[in-house]
Amino acid sequence: EVQLLESGGDLVQPGGSLRLSCAASGFTFSDYAMNWVRQAPGKGLEWVSVIDKLGGARHAEVVKGRFTISRDISKSTLYLQMNSLRAEDSAVYYCAKETANGGTLDYWGQGILVTVS
Amino acid sequence: IVMTQTPLSSPVTLGQPASISCRSSQSLVHSDGNTYLSWLQQRPGQPPRLLIYQISNRFSGVPDRFSGSGAGTDFTLKISRVEAEDVGVYYCTQASQFPYTFGQGTKLEIK
Repeated sequence: EVQLLESGGDLVQPGGSLRLSCAASGFTFSDYAMNWVRQAPGKGLEWVSVIDKLGGARHAEVVKGRFTISRDISKSTLYLQMNSLRAEDSAVYYCAKETANGGTLDYWGQGILVTVS
Repeated sequence: IVMTQTPLSSPVTLGQPASISCRSSQSLVHSDGNTYLSWLQQRPGQPPRLLIYQISNRFSGVPDRFSGSGAGTDFTLKISRVEAEDVGVYYCTQASQFPYTFGQGTKLEIK
């Protein structure tokens, strides 16, 4: 059974930093691209970052230069390093797995709350 | 790519059908020939859940009352007979081109 468990959310001041983690199980972590998607309170979904099977990373323009996605294959864990945080980064952050051939986010974690205030 | 959903709110009677439309600002046909258009369901207080992928494929465990159709830039999610557990917000999403994008969401509620 695929499981994704986020952690690391917290209340942080503007300009501060935070690192989110997503512990994955139930699949071969290194074989799949992984994403971070966020949802501000009462709002819709916003894609943040992806790391592909080879470790290549992409980020949304609004977080580029401030956020970095990475992974530790030996720990089956996905990370999101968030620096220079702004109030508008406040959201629930979800990690989501892609399908084997990409293009579909098939499993999602429960999410973790980040509040910047 | 901008994803536009209609309606944004859909009050439906139990047992009746429901339909949600999603239009993309560009064709979602990927260079590999696939169209990476998915539909997600988010029940209150829950994370999103995949319902439909690549336009019309039901994900594992999804009831067959859910169906997807469309091509190019116009897509539709249909629920043949709405049940109480279908209440929530539905999102279309594209992953044919970066950045991945989502529709605004359609809130399905029971009349």
